[in-house]
Amino acid sequence: GQQVMQIPQYQHVQEGEDFTTYCNSSTTLSNIQWYKQRPGGHPVFLIQLVKSGEVKKQKRLTFQFGEAKKNSSLHITATQTTDVGTYFCAGPGGNTGKLIFGQGTTLQVKP
Amino acid sequence: DGGITQSPKYLFRKEGQNVTLSCEQNLNHDAMYWYRQDPGQGLRLIYYSQIVNDFQKGDIAEGYSVSREKKESFPLTVTSAQKNPTAFYLCASSILQGYGPYEQYFGPGTRLTVT
Repeated sequence: GQQVMQIPQYQHVQEGEDFTTYCNSSTTLSNIQWYKQRPGGHPVFLIQLVKSGEVKKQKRLTFQFGEAKKNSSLHITATQTTDVGTYFCAGPGGNTGKLIFGQGTTLQVKP
Repeated sequence: DGGITQSPKYLFRKEGQNVTLSCEQNLNHDAMYWYRQDPGQGLRLIYYSQIVNDFQKGDIAEGYSVSREKKESFPLTVTSAQKNPTAFYLCASSILQGYGPYEQYFGPGTRLTVT
């Protein structure tokens, strides 16, 4: 079945360093979503990418959707302690509205 | 205030007991979902519903049951048949029109511990 894989599983960085998480799908995706889950919290929607090669920015966060629409990345510039959490990508699971989530990348930031 | 509520936040049960987790939304969303999250794991879909009185199994439906009698409510029952029920349970909802999927709004979750 369709799979969405994320790497790395964990990342520890020093505050101020950059961070990137990668998402790969076994199938072509019509779109991809990114969510953030703070420790002890629930996932919160960050963004959705739809177009091949699309790049979107939210302050220090840059999201990219691959040309073949099978991979995506989230890059954080100059991490802050507020960036701590787990970042999930998610792709459509057919035409049902359901999502297939990646395993997530947990980011820890050392001040 | 629009959103999704789940109750209770923490739930403790003895093995062999069925337990029902509540999920209510006032966002007027058609679709609702139940996920299970284990420590260090991603989100695994248990059940989802696109319309009242209809629901479909997700990837890990065994040992769980749901109902959707009202648009705003989607309770999940963890039955005694679920072999490893201790987990964090998240409910979500989304609109369902046109060419989705659309962003999912999550509730605060229920941490279930079965001993």
